[in-house]
Amino acid sequence: DAGITQSPRYKITETGRQVTLMCHQTWSHSYMFWYRQDLGHGLRLIYYSAAADITDKGEVPDGYVVSRSKTENFPLTLESATRSQTSVYFCASSVPGTDNSPLHFGNGTRLTVT
Amino acid sequence: GENVEQHPSTLSVQEGDSAVIKCTYSDSASNYFPWYKQELGKRPQLIIDIRSNVGEKKDQRIAVTLNKTAKHFSLHITETQPEDSAVYFCAASSRYGNKLVFGAGTILRVKS
Repeated sequence: DAGITQSPRYKITETGRQVTLMCHQTWSHSYMFWYRQDLGHGLRLIYYSAAADITDKGEVPDGYVVSRSKTENFPLTLESATRSQTSVYFCASSVPGTDNSPLHFGNGTRLTVT
Repeated sequence: GENVEQHPSTLSVQEGDSAVIKCTYSDSASNYFPWYKQELGKRPQLIIDIRSNVGEKKDQRIAVTLNKTAKHFSLHITETQPEDSAVYFCAASSRYGNKLVFGAGTILRVKS
């Protein structure tokens, strides 16, 4: 699914640095999500957005900031990276409906905080 | 909030045998239950889903069953093949919005 792209694919940063992970989708999906994937925890929701300028916290939002000024973009910023934020980050999108609808995931960003 | 538990964490089967992965959820208002397959280094991809008004759904070798009363749902893979080896995640919709809560995942190994 080339419709949702994440960049960079790999990132190494130092503790305390700010880093932004990018997510872009071409489907005009209303909903966008950020999940982190860690061994033994599955996928945990960080933040989500129902539409442009509407964002809300998920299960593990501490240390992260999001924005959504345009429907197609949903960047995730780590304001001051910590080692515990070393993870694989997945962006996803979905079309809203009366019932929930499937998530379409990007290829992920592997972030290492040293 | 919603909590999803998934078992087993690892599962090894012989090629041709069946594999069953089970999940339980906590929020009785959840109404959507997808299953995702994730190959090594790849993104999770939807393989099958079921909604709360249906008890069972099949797609070739894959089936999902849902027991709303007991709040559990299961993935069944028949005639397993080596390419079925992957991590499988169950998920349930939370009460609010279009969010999914995922189980911790099951590593399935199909031995040939």
